[in-house]
Amino acid sequence: EAGVAQSPRYKIIEKRQSVAFWCNPISGHATLYWYQQILGQGPKLLIQFQNNGVVDDSQLPKDRFSAERLKGVDSTLKIQPAKLEDSAVYLCASSLASRVVTGELFFGEGSRLTVL
Amino acid sequence: DAKTTQPNSMESNEEEPVHLPCNHSTISGTDYIHWYRQLPSQGPEYVIHGLTSNVNNRMASLAIAEDRKSSTLILHRATLRDAAVYYCILRDRGSGAGSYQLTFGKGTKLSVIP
Repeated sequence: EAGVAQSPRYKIIEKRQSVAFWCNPISGHATLYWYQQILGQGPKLLIQFQNNGVVDDSQLPKDRFSAERLKGVDSTLKIQPAKLEDSAVYLCASSLASRVVTGELFFGEGSRLTVL
Repeated sequence: DAKTTQPNSMESNEEEPVHLPCNHSTISGTDYIHWYRQLPSQGPEYVIHGLTSNVNNRMASLAIAEDRKSSTLILHRATLRDAAVYYCILRDRGSGAGSYQLTFGKGTKLSVIP
């Protein structure tokens, strides 16, 4: 079974530029998550989708971050304009359903962003 | 939200058992205890979860204290591949906005010595 696919793996940009990350979840997984992981910290949830609807985006900095999940499958996370503090690994995860407390989350390898 | 407390780091010799502790003194009756681990340069991966009883799977065992205020992840024979950051997470099946989500702390960095 194919895992969660993310691209690009690495991206270096200058501050105030824009960047987009793409995620393809495991086939059939209704729930998709984007996490931000700053070096030395645990992942922090940015946004959670159920199919193509947003379940929780309370920690997404909406002045510069946006995310969409068209057709309930692939998702894109965009940052515009980027700041130095956005340097982090952006992790995408998927699960079969959101409201299953024992449901396993499957993570991709992440996209590492460096903002100069 | 219920929080967990884990040591920042631990060391183990290869092929010896490892006991990774987690304190969760404010756990509620509806919180499940989940463990994930993150190998270097990879995303987190599921290890095990439990509610009240001890649990075993092919990767590890989870021992839960009778009062549920602490738990221990047990790796029976540590290998070099087990070197990772281990996260102990409480997952609530309640009705709040944070229900069912995984909220990560800093975890315990496990080093395995050959």
